[in-house]
Amino acid sequence: AQTVTQSQPEMSVQEAETVTLSCTYDTSESDYYLFWYKQPPSRQMILVIRQEAYKQQNATENRFSVNFQKAAKSFSLKISDSQLGDAAMYFCAYRFQGGSEKLVFGKGTKLTVNP
Amino acid sequence: GAVVSQHPSWVICKSGTSVKIECRSLDFQATTMFWYRQFPKQSLMLMATSNEGSKATYEQGVEKDKFLINHASLTLSTLTVTSAHPEDSSFYICSAPGQGWVKNIQYFGAGTRLSVL
Repeated sequence: AQTVTQSQPEMSVQEAETVTLSCTYDTSESDYYLFWYKQPPSRQMILVIRQEAYKQQNATENRFSVNFQKAAKSFSLKISDSQLGDAAMYFCAYRFQGGSEKLVFGKGTKLTVNP
Repeated sequence: GAVVSQHPSWVICKSGTSVKIECRSLDFQATTMFWYRQFPKQSLMLMATSNEGSKATYEQGVEKDKFLINHASLTLSTLTVTSAHPEDSSFYICSAPGQGWVKNIQYFGAGTRLSVL
């Protein structure tokens, strides 16, 4: 079974600085998707960024980028120029490309942004 | 982007009563929807996959008779917590996959906080 591990329960960063959140996963599949979702205090899940496993190029969305290392099964999220609004729980998630569309989530990392 | 509406956002009920939570895809059709449960400061736990026009698929350990799922149309799935008890108090979230170029993205409802007294 696929598993997703986030080894950092909590992280903090100073406003305007850069922070990296770690995620590793375990799968025997070669075709899959990886996601980072953000859950602010409102608890609304918001997609931050996604990565298709077949793409070698790392995904980027404005201040958010990933470091996808397929062989190492690592998928870290880098947040640049951190803002107060980035404070939230961040969940890494995996989805197999075929079959069921269900997501497997990590346990999450709570990010605090200090002014 | 796709919008998933979940209602109610917060419900308080007495022990032994049943509570229905609705999940709607507002601007797209969803043949599949997912229901999650989230305990405080924990991750999302998948409860079941809701399939339009057929029975839901429940994850191991989830009581089918306790958590009834109905997916009667392409835009609506409901979760009914039957004979609710205090231990059923939790945050329930639904999601649906998008369509077209966003079909690999799950869109989430805002969640429902259930408090059973």
